[in-house]
Amino acid sequence: QQQVKQSPQSLIVQKGGISIINCAYENTAFDYFPWYQQFPGKGPALLIAIRPDVSEKKEGRFTISFNKSAKQFSLHIMDSQPGDSATYFCAATRRRGTDKLIFGTGTRLQVFP
Amino acid sequence: SAVISQKPSRDICQRGTSLTIQCQVDSQVTMMFWYRQQPGQSLTLIATANQGSEATYESGFVIDKFPISRPNLTFSTLTVSNMSPEDSSIYLCSAGNSNQPQHFGDGTRLSIL
Repeated sequence: QQQVKQSPQSLIVQKGGISIINCAYENTAFDYFPWYQQFPGKGPALLIAIRPDVSEKKEGRFTISFNKSAKQFSLHIMDSQPGDSATYFCAATRRRGTDKLIFGTGTRLQVFP
Repeated sequence: SAVISQKPSRDICQRGTSLTIQCQVDSQVTMMFWYRQQPGQSLTLIATANQGSEATYESGFVIDKFPISRPNLTFSTLTVSNMSPEDSSIYLCSAGNSNQPQHFGDGTRLSIL
């Protein structure tokens, strides 16, 4: 029940295309769903996050879509750029900032020019 | 957002020795966490570092192997004791507050010979 399932494991997108990464969870006590971006040799960096009372959140080219009834959420990267090439992790927690994060397995995104 | 610094950034150690990793946050935070990330894998929580009391360990991690200190609201250490090659990994510190999501340091890359 603590798992967060993430797919796909890897994703190859052409520059300008849309990248979509999906996650699903079981624990209805989760109340905060962040996405982290990780470049090689660096720690995960918070990209965007959402709470379950909102169905969509957009920040620039990054959008989270949230389906509470299906217990699923996804990250959409519009107009994907080579600089977006990184590993993306979805996560879930019961309390923003003060409770442990349960991470998905990660998606390695490669954007080709 | 909090800036988190970890030292050392990487190390190569001999089997049977111990290494202490330091995590410094540039502002006071309620919670600090230690995660492990195997190369190419996701993040797994080792323990929550509690200020003024013993750390809370996740299943599969024990205090004798991973002693943790948290002497104040901006600093924590993780020691990896009696190291074996299986301990080769990336160790990441994160910090958060109730009004601020978790942010991560860049990690300590540890190799055991």
